Amino acid sequence: GAVVSQHPSRVICKSGTSVKIECRSLDFQATTMFWYRQFPKQSLMLMATSNEGSKATYEQGVEKDKFLINHASLTLSTLTVTSAHPEDSSFYICSAPTSGRPSSYEQYFGPGTRLTVT
Amino acid sequence: AQSVTQPDIHITVSEGASLELRCNYSYGATPYLFWYVQSPGQGLQLLLKYFSGDTLVQGIKGFEAEFKRSQSSFNLRKPSVHWSDAAEYFCAVSPTGAGKSTFGDGTTLTVKP
Repeated sequence: GAVVSQHPSRVICKSGTSVKIECRSLDFQATTMFWYRQFPKQSLMLMATSNEGSKATYEQGVEKDKFLINHASLTLSTLTVTSAHPEDSSFYICSAPTSGRPSSYEQYFGPGTRLTVT
Repeated sequence: AQSVTQPDIHITVSEGASLELRCNYSYGATPYLFWYVQSPGQGLQLLLKYFSGDTLVQGIKGFEAEFKRSQSSFNLRKPSVHWSDAAEYFCAVSPTGAGKSTFGDGTTLTVKP
């Protein structure tokens, strides 16, 4: 099946610095990708929809200036956490949907990136 | 707005026993419904999905789910649980299938030997 990768898998950064997380669709093109964050023992919360060639769409309550999203190509979306603070520590997961007939729609999720801000 | 409720936060079953994980959704029309499994520190793996047609859906790893429109439910079942099934299970709904998903809070499955 289709594969979505994320890099890095784990990152530790100091408070006030920025960190970039990459999400790649390895064997299919994705005009849209989704970014989720997951706190320990909690569900996935959608942060934003990344659109190739246009601005990302952010969910209510998500600071777009803090979480910068760039969909540089049909296989790459990046999430940059700017001026990170300890409360940004979380598990970030991206997903990319395949296209085609509705019955074949499927979202492929990346393995996630564990961000720890010290 | 759509929403998903997984009433059971934690379920413990014995290995070999049957399993049912509950999921209720709220959506104006028939949504696209999914069940995912997540092992600790990992991403999500799709178990099965429902778009239309037969309301009983077969998935991977011996799982199945039944869509019941009258109850707005999409419960996940497995007739005989294996120790490797211990994980977090998420039910999700999407209005367009390939669009953004809303997840339930998840159910943690523990399997007793």
